[in-house]
Amino acid sequence: DAGVTQSPTHLIKTRGQQVTLRCSPKSGHDTVSWYQQALGQGPQFIFQYYEEEERQRGNFPDRFSGHQFPNYSSELNVNALLLGDSALYLCASSGWRDTDTQYFGPGTRLTVL
Amino acid sequence: AQSVTQLDSQVPVFEEAPVELRCNYSSSVSVYLFWYVQYPNQGLQLLLKYLSGSTLVKGINGFEAEFNKSQTSFHLRKPSVHISDTAEYFCAVNTDKLIFGTGTRLQVFP
Repeated sequence: DAGVTQSPTHLIKTRGQQVTLRCSPKSGHDTVSWYQQALGQGPQFIFQYYEEEERQRGNFPDRFSGHQFPNYSSELNVNALLLGDSALYLCASSGWRDTDTQYFGPGTRLTVL
Repeated sequence: AQSVTQLDSQVPVFEEAPVELRCNYSSSVSVYLFWYVQYPNQGLQLLLKYLSGSTLVKGINGFEAEFNKSQTSFHLRKPSVHISDTAEYFCAVNTDKLIFGTGTRLQVFP
């Protein structure tokens, strides 16, 4: 049973660029959430996707956007990158059998220079 | 609004000693509570969760936690730690989304 997978593992970008991160949920899960974890901090909720729509959003600017595909996989897009966007981006999934529990992927480490 | 406070940023302990990592939460509604562990350069792994029922919850790797509604706490305990338990531990509350504490660094010394 495959867990949550994310790609790429690491990414280096420069200020002003755009980036796309990808996530495949755990088998049987239909809901995907994205979190940003800055160095030395706890994860911060960005948004959650269910049935290909953004269901909830945290306190992040519109530069952060996402998408969910019919196969439940998801993308996180960040435009006009800032130095402060450097962080570990975590994807988590949950499913109808256990809606209250989220399972996390290994994360994508984004460095903005 | 919901919030989580982890009272200790770092907890140093010797191998085979007991440990308690403290977590307090604030919420005006019923909550679900979680502990996750993060090893260096990795994602979060679920240790245990409280959704309802027995207030003493047992998780993986010998950890357990007790939900105390009157004290709004969900402290994590292990009777005897190993070197391999060295990691960052996060307490989280879930109402409609996960809200995390700032984490506690558990450092186990030989």
